[in-house]
Amino acid sequence: DAGVIQSPRHEVTEMGQEVTLRCKPISGHDYLFWYRQTMMRGLELLIYFNNNVPIDDSGMPEDRFSAKMPNASFSTLKIQPSEPRDSAVYFCASSLSGGAREQFFGPGTRLTVL
Amino acid sequence: QQPVQSPQAVILREGEDAVINCSSSKALYSVHWYRQKHGEAPVFLMILLKGGEQKGHDKISASFNEKKQQSSLYLTASQLSYSGTYFCGTERTDKLIFGTGTRLQVFP
Repeated sequence: DAGVIQSPRHEVTEMGQEVTLRCKPISGHDYLFWYRQTMMRGLELLIYFNNNVPIDDSGMPEDRFSAKMPNASFSTLKIQPSEPRDSAVYFCASSLSGGAREQFFGPGTRLTVL
Repeated sequence: QQPVQSPQAVILREGEDAVINCSSSKALYSVHWYRQKHGEAPVFLMILLKGGEQKGHDKISASFNEKKQQSSLYLTASQLSYSGTYFCGTERTDKLIFGTGTRLQVFP
């Protein structure tokens, strides 16, 4: 299996622009998680899906952030408009059936907002 | 709500041992441990479930004391490949809350 795939790997954009991050989970996994990692705040859970349905988005920082999972093999995290404080590494992870299971992380997208 | 890890950083020589602690202010149902190497994604090490059990993987083992709401990760005879940042994660209804992280550096 190819593992969790994320694109792009690096994104540099200017403040105010829309940014879309993409994730393809491991086939057969029914949980998908979006995380943000910064030096100041560590590894934060933004939102997670079960069977393509958003379950908990309490970690989404504000309305500028939105996430979708239109099918079992694709998810997007969108930031509109982007701000410099959104600069971080964004990870997508997937797992089988529930919390007490190993999560497989993608390589991450390093976002820089100028 | 975020688990607190200690120490924040550890520096070791090859062959030395280390212990990383993870404490939660809330009841623990399971504890996960992950390692993240510089510039890479976190990678799963192990899960510990309720019951105070101790699990191991090669020379890395861990314990879980649910009464004290703590877990400890034990690295024995450390190798250069052990360098990285270690995170514990506590389970909350199908999601993980990751700890503050412990940076481990192993030198020859």
